[in-house]
Amino acid sequence: EAGVAQSPRYKIIEKRQSVAFWCNPISGHATLYWYQQILGQGPKLLIQFQNNGVVDDSQLPKDRFSAERLKGVDSTLKIQPAKLEDSAVYLCASSTLADTDTQYFGPGTRLTVL
Amino acid sequence: DAKTTQPPSMDCAEGRAANLPCNHSTISGNEYVYWYRQIHSQGPQYIIHGLKNNETNEMASLIITEDRKSSTLILPHATLRDTAVYYCIVRVGGFFGNEKLTFGTGTRLTIIP
Repeated sequence: EAGVAQSPRYKIIEKRQSVAFWCNPISGHATLYWYQQILGQGPKLLIQFQNNGVVDDSQLPKDRFSAERLKGVDSTLKIQPAKLEDSAVYLCASSTLADTDTQYFGPGTRLTVL
Repeated sequence: DAKTTQPPSMDCAEGRAANLPCNHSTISGNEYVYWYRQIHSQGPQYIIHGLKNNETNEMASLIITEDRKSSTLILPHATLRDTAVYYCIVRVGGFFGNEKLTFGTGTRLTIIP
């Protein structure tokens, strides 16, 4: 079974630029999560989708971050404009509706904002 | 905020059992204990979870105290590949489990050759 795919793996941008990350969850997984992991900390949930609807986006900085999951499969997370403090690893995870106990994580995208 | 307390780091000799403690004194009756680990430069990986009974799978065993205020993750025969950060998480699980995972800073486990 293929795992969660993310791209790019690494991205370096200047502050105030825009950036987008892509996630392809495991086939058949209705729930998709985006996490932000700052160096030395545990992952923090940014947004959770169930199919193409948002379940929880309470910790998403909506003035600069946006996410969408068209057709309930792939998802993109965008930052516009980026700030220095956005430097982090952005992790995508997915789970089935029947088993939200087990979240499967992708390898992450490491973002560096200069 | 994380609802759990873990030691920041631990060492274990290769081949020995690694016992990772976690305190969750404010756990509610419908909250499960989950363990995930994160190997360097990878995403977190699910290990095991439980409500009140001890659980075992191919990766590890989870021992939950009778009052459910603490638990221990046991890796029975640690290998170098078990070197990782281990996260203990408390969350409403099961059929109603749609609550987010809240990660703390975890325990950095180093397996010594």
